[in-house]
Amino acid sequence: NAGVTQTPKFQVLKTGQSMTLQCAQDMNHEYMSWYRQDPGMGLRLIHYSVGAGITDQGEVPNGYNVSRSTTEDFPLRLLSAAPSQTSVYFCASSSDRGAPYEQYFGPGTRLTVT
Amino acid sequence: GENVEQHPSTLSVQEGDSAVIKCTYSDSASNYFPWYKQELGKRPQLIIDIRSNVGEKKDQRIAVTLNKTAKHFSLHITETQPEDSAVYFCAATPSGTYKYIFGTGTRLKVLA
Repeated sequence: NAGVTQTPKFQVLKTGQSMTLQCAQDMNHEYMSWYRQDPGMGLRLIHYSVGAGITDQGEVPNGYNVSRSTTEDFPLRLLSAAPSQTSVYFCASSSDRGAPYEQYFGPGTRLTVT
Repeated sequence: GENVEQHPSTLSVQEGDSAVIKCTYSDSASNYFPWYKQELGKRPQLIIDIRSNVGEKKDQRIAVTLNKTAKHFSLHITETQPEDSAVYFCAATPSGTYKYIFGTGTRLKVLA
């Protein structure tokens, strides 16, 4: 199994540009989430999904959109990039309903907005 | 909303000494508490977790304790080694959700 994969590894955007960060998992996990990591602020939840077709907002959802059309994929869209969105983005997944299980993290995407 | 506080933000210990990191959570219905280790430039990796029906769990040099009454849990690392140097994050999962609320992290330095 590849686990959780993310693309790209690095990205530089100009203010106002849009882009999609890709996340995929091959473990048939129902739960997937996106976090951003900023120095001194830990990991903050952006959006999460408990299954295909079901998404919800986390702590810091503004400026980001998600959709979950398949169990495997959970892309994160930046609508109009701002310098405040410069961060490292991690996608994570965990096993299905019933009890919270270990979240497996992808390798991360380092995004810089100029 | 839910909140997890983590202390200290940095911790330096001599090799062979013990290290303790503490977290406090706000939602008394939280039922799952994982600890993650993150090395520089890498993804977070689970090192130990505990559920609300257990008071303590050990795995070799690592242990976690949970005090539900006080709403805090702690990570204990004994006989620290240089490879334990990393950032450690605690998290709590509010009951009925699949969300993780993370603490802000502790940078542990083990001095040789």
